[in-house]
Amino acid sequence: AQSVSQHNHHVILSEAASLELGCNYSYGGTVNLFWYVQYPGQHLQLLLKYFSGDPLVKGIKGFEAEFIKSKFSFNLRKPSVQWSDTAEYFCAVTHKAAGNKLTFGGGTRVLVKP
Amino acid sequence: EPEVTQTPSHQVTQMGQEVILRCVPISNHLYFYWYRQILGQKVEFLVSFYNNEISEKSEIFDDQFSVERPDGSNFTLKIRSTKLEDSAMYFCASSTSWEVQGGGNQPQHFGDGTRLSIL
Repeated sequence: AQSVSQHNHHVILSEAASLELGCNYSYGGTVNLFWYVQYPGQHLQLLLKYFSGDPLVKGIKGFEAEFIKSKFSFNLRKPSVQWSDTAEYFCAVTHKAAGNKLTFGGGTRVLVKP
Repeated sequence: EPEVTQTPSHQVTQMGQEVILRCVPISNHLYFYWYRQILGQKVEFLVSFYNNEISEKSEIFDDQFSVERPDGSNFTLKIRSTKLEDSAMYFCASSTSWEVQGGGNQPQHFGDGTRLSIL
């Protein structure tokens, strides 16, 4: 079955450390890729998205993600995290053949220690 | 920034009872969605809605579920006879458009969710 996988369920790191969260999807063909973030007690917010073009996309709050088609990956990165980046991060995909529904990965809880 | 709003934030209901979850999408959005997240599991798509009809639904969205846009602003999810396994966080989302060529490339904006607890 087509799916989205996030390999890390929990990540704990200190402020100023670099963050990379993995995301892999199993769809072939045209996909649109998203990273959403959910801060404690808040709704899902869009961090960044990839539709086409430059495979390195920059989002809000210093996040970026790289689409590597050959690896079916869309990993999220931030060079230096802050305590306020503590949140749950979700990778999601829409696929042309699957309509306009988002298929989510399982999420990664990130805890940044001050 | 415009937001999707959902009410109530928490709903506790006896098994077998009907429940209606309410959502007010962003005003100029045309596509509406419901997702749910059972505790400890992935966020799952339930249904999408456009032009006053369901455009897509998942296997989860069986005859117990229905959606409606009763007026120009609200978008509701009804569960007719709730089961214990319906306990979950339910998220409403909306988007401006969806291009067939791009395969759903307009970002969806999410509400805060309704936590539904079935006793």
